[in-house]
Amino acid sequence: GNSVTQMEGPVTLSEEAFLTINCTYTATGYPSLFWYVQYPGEGLQLLLKATKADDKGSNKGFEATYRKETTSFHLEKGSVQVSDSAVYFCALSAEAGGTSYGKLTFGQGTILTVHP
Amino acid sequence: GAGVSQTPSNKVTEKGKYVELRCDPISGHTALYWYRQSLGQGPEFLIYFQGTGAADDSGLPNDRFFAVRPEGSVSTLKIQRTERGDSAMYLCASSLNRVTNSPLHFGNGTRLTVT
Repeated sequence: GNSVTQMEGPVTLSEEAFLTINCTYTATGYPSLFWYVQYPGEGLQLLLKATKADDKGSNKGFEATYRKETTSFHLEKGSVQVSDSAVYFCALSAEAGGTSYGKLTFGQGTILTVHP
Repeated sequence: GAGVSQTPSNKVTEKGKYVELRCDPISGHTALYWYRQSLGQGPEFLIYFQGTGAADDSGLPNDRFFAVRPEGSVSTLKIQRTERGDSAMYLCASSLNRVTNSPLHFGNGTRLTVT
């Protein structure tokens, strides 16, 4: 079956530091890949996505590239801010356009804390 | 505009009792999903609806769990004979269409505690 593995947290950084959160997956076919973020007291929000190999998703300074050869979708940001403190989830679904597109498999989440 | 609304935000119940959790999706969204999130884990898929019908209920853990969406809008997740292991955050999400690339919009969840 499908699975997603994220680097274990929590991750603590100083403001303006470089962020990487690793994510690898196991899936059949060509899944779509996502990063979701959960800010304190709020619901899950889509941060970025990529639907095919070598696609790069980006949003709010975050980026992730769909690497089929390494089955990875690592999240990066060049300079984090205190407001980026949240829980980040990597997820996959069946390929875009398929009937199971919204059925997501999530990783366990990585807690990020950014200090001033 | 209004997002996905879940009520109640918190529910405490005794072992063996019956509970209902409600989800109001974004207006016009035909696809609706239920997920369960245990502490320190990512959400796990339970069931999804396309319109009024349950298109995939493969994630429901056992027959104590049931969900309905009778008019294709509001959905209710029902848990019979609750057990302490049912304690978790229950998340609802909706999207414009399950087939296209429309993103999932999540509610803030209902935290269920079974004592």
